[in-house]
Amino acid sequence: SQELEQSPQSLIVQEGKNLTINCTSSKTLYGLYWYKQKYGEGLIFLMMLQKGGEEKSHEKITAKLDEKKQQSSLHITASQPSHAGIYLCGADSYSGAGSYQLTFGKGTKLSVIP
Amino acid sequence: NAGVTQTPKFQVLKTGQSMTLQCAQDMNHNSMYWYRQDPGMGLRLIYYSASEGTTDKGEVPNGYNVSRLNKREFSLRLESAAPSQTSVYFCASSVAQGHSGNTIYFGEGSWLTVV
Repeated sequence: SQELEQSPQSLIVQEGKNLTINCTSSKTLYGLYWYKQKYGEGLIFLMMLQKGGEEKSHEKITAKLDEKKQQSSLHITASQPSHAGIYLCGADSYSGAGSYQLTFGKGTKLSVIP
Repeated sequence: NAGVTQTPKFQVLKTGQSMTLQCAQDMNHNSMYWYRQDPGMGLRLIYYSASEGTTDKGEVPNGYNVSRLNKREFSLRLESAAPSQTSVYFCASSVAQGHSGNTIYFGEGSWLTVV
């Protein structure tokens, strides 16, 4: 099965600073998903990327999938306290016979200091 | 705007007790899932139901049973709870399991403590 490595594991930034979270796999990422989880709450879907080189943005969050489709990055511009939480990446791995299975990274905990 | 709804949100059980976590989705999704989330382990799939009438084991099925009651509802049962089952449980749904680009939507989680 595919293993997803997220880095860093945790991150503390000053409000207003930019930051990047990475999600890396040794295998091709067929579908790459980013979720945000606030403490004590569920996972909120942020974005999905499928094509190499694809980039999507939502408000101040931008996600990219590299050309080789083995790494994705999540970039937050001018961070705010509302961005704090755990960010998880998930990816589809090919499991044979035309079927895909979704696996998740272990998450990156982001704290934003006012 | 309900999406995926799961109950209860919090539960404390004694070892050996049984309980059922309920989940319902209103997005007309075919596939539903139960995950558990533990510190340092990330999200792990317990069971899934690719479509109404089918269920399959995920990564960590031992100690659990599931029922896909209808297209909307998918329940998770702990027959004899053990402290190792203390976790946060998430129900989720998607249009079609097994396909690339199949976005999964999660419920808000159920915090279960087994003492």
